Amino acid sequence: NAGVTQTPKFQVLKTGQSMTLQCAQDMNHEYMSWYRQDPGMGLRLIHYSVGAGITDQGEVPNGYNVSRSTTEDFPLRLLSAAPSQTSVYFCASRPTGRGTGELFFGEGSRLTVL
Amino acid sequence: GENVEQHPSTLSVQEGDSAVIKCTYSDSASNYFPWYKQELGKRPQLIIDIRSNVGEKKDQRIAVTLNKTAKHFSLHITETQPEDSAVYFCASSEGGGTSYGKLTFGQGTILTVHP
Repeated sequence: NAGVTQTPKFQVLKTGQSMTLQCAQDMNHEYMSWYRQDPGMGLRLIHYSVGAGITDQGEVPNGYNVSRSTTEDFPLRLLSAAPSQTSVYFCASRPTGRGTGELFFGEGSRLTVL
Repeated sequence: GENVEQHPSTLSVQEGDSAVIKCTYSDSASNYFPWYKQELGKRPQLIIDIRSNVGEKKDQRIAVTLNKTAKHFSLHITETQPEDSAVYFCASSEGGGTSYGKLTFGQGTILTVHP
C-alpha cells in the first residue's frame, strides 16, 4: 500500500512552459485535492475532486487545470508556468462519508519557475 | 469563504516547557478542526483533531481545546521534546461527507524546542 504518490519530486521550468504534476493513490479514496505551500501562507487549496468525473475549484485555482478520469489519479496541469507558481505542491486524499476527516498527503513536488 | 488566523508564527521553548498555539476562524458553519505537524522536508501529518460537539480532546502530551462561541481553538503541547520541533498547522472545515476534506489552513507556527 503506497498511499499517495506524487511525481516528479523536483521540477524546474521556464516561464511559459507547461507541465503536469502527477498524483496517484491506492487507498480507494473518493476525495482528492491539490494544495500549494508558500512560506508564511500555510497550505492553500487549488482544486479538489469528490469522485471520478467531478472537480471543483479551491481558493487559488487560476493558472491550474485538473481532471479526474479514474478514482486513483488526479493530475494537476500548469498550461503556461509563471514565476508566481514557484511553490511546493501537495496532493492529498481522504475517504468520503462520515468518520475520520484525516487527509493523507503525498511527499510533495517542489516546482521552480524561472 | 473561511479564514483561519494562526498565532504565533514562531515559538521557541525550552525542553520540558509547554507550548500553546492559537487559531481563530470566521465561518460559524465550521465544525471540524484538525492539527497537522510538518517536519522539515516532510509531508503534513495529522496529529489530533476535534469536532464541535467536544470542547477538549487529549492524546498523551497533546491536547486541543475549542471555543465555538468565540470561534477559536488551541493546541497545547506539554513536556515538549526536541522531536516536537516542526511546523504546526491548524485547519477548519464543515464536517461530514465531502466537506471534511475541503480544509482551510492557518499560516503555520514554527515550533523550536531547545534541549
